[in-house]
Amino acid sequence: TQLLEQSPQFLSIQEGENLTVYCNSSSVFSSLQWYRQEPGEGPVLLVTVVTGGEVKKLKRLTFQFGDARKDSSLHITAAQPGDTGLYLCAGEGGGTSYGKLTFGQGTILTVHP
Amino acid sequence: SAVISQKPSRDICQRGTSLTIQCQVDSQVTMMFWYRQQPGQSLTLIATANQGSEATYESGFVIDKFPISRPNLTFSTLTVSNMSPEDSSIYLCSVESFGASGGANEQFFGPGTRLTVL
Repeated sequence: TQLLEQSPQFLSIQEGENLTVYCNSSSVFSSLQWYRQEPGEGPVLLVTVVTGGEVKKLKRLTFQFGDARKDSSLHITAAQPGDTGLYLCAGEGGGTSYGKLTFGQGTILTVHP
Repeated sequence: SAVISQKPSRDICQRGTSLTIQCQVDSQVTMMFWYRQQPGQSLTLIATANQGSEATYESGFVIDKFPISRPNLTFSTLTVSNMSPEDSSIYLCSVESFGASGGANEQFFGPGTRLTVL
């Protein structure tokens, strides 16, 4: 069974601060997705990283895939109240896990004005 | 990406009854997934539903409790049978999309169905 450890579980910060969310595993993933979910809605895909060492930027969000494709991070610069939500990482594995995603435990981010 | 709708968006049900949740996609997809989520927590995969074959259930979930239909490539239903308060949760369907990012399996989610069992 592939496990994806996500941390921290809760993050409460002030507007303008920076933050980083981590996802770590002992397993190799062929790709890793990051989702954001707001109350009453389904998760929305933010980004997919595929190549080891890959870095993708989405405005103030920076996503990185580890060289060995076992870990990933999400860094938010100058957080805003609109960034508040549940952030989920999800890894895709091959073989018997084909087509399925392994989700991290999630990080609840609260950005205070 | 795909546009996914779910019905109902929420429901309050009595213990012992059953509820069928519908998931409609605006395009044809091969694989659909059903998840359960406690508010503020991560997603737990219930089963994978492929059109034309029996759904594949994850450990801890059985067909008698969560029967799934997949009559065509744009529609699926999940029934929560003989409900108890422990079934209170958010139920989400998702579909896969390949190719957008180097062939990675990305999933797109419906808005969810919030179920409360009294």
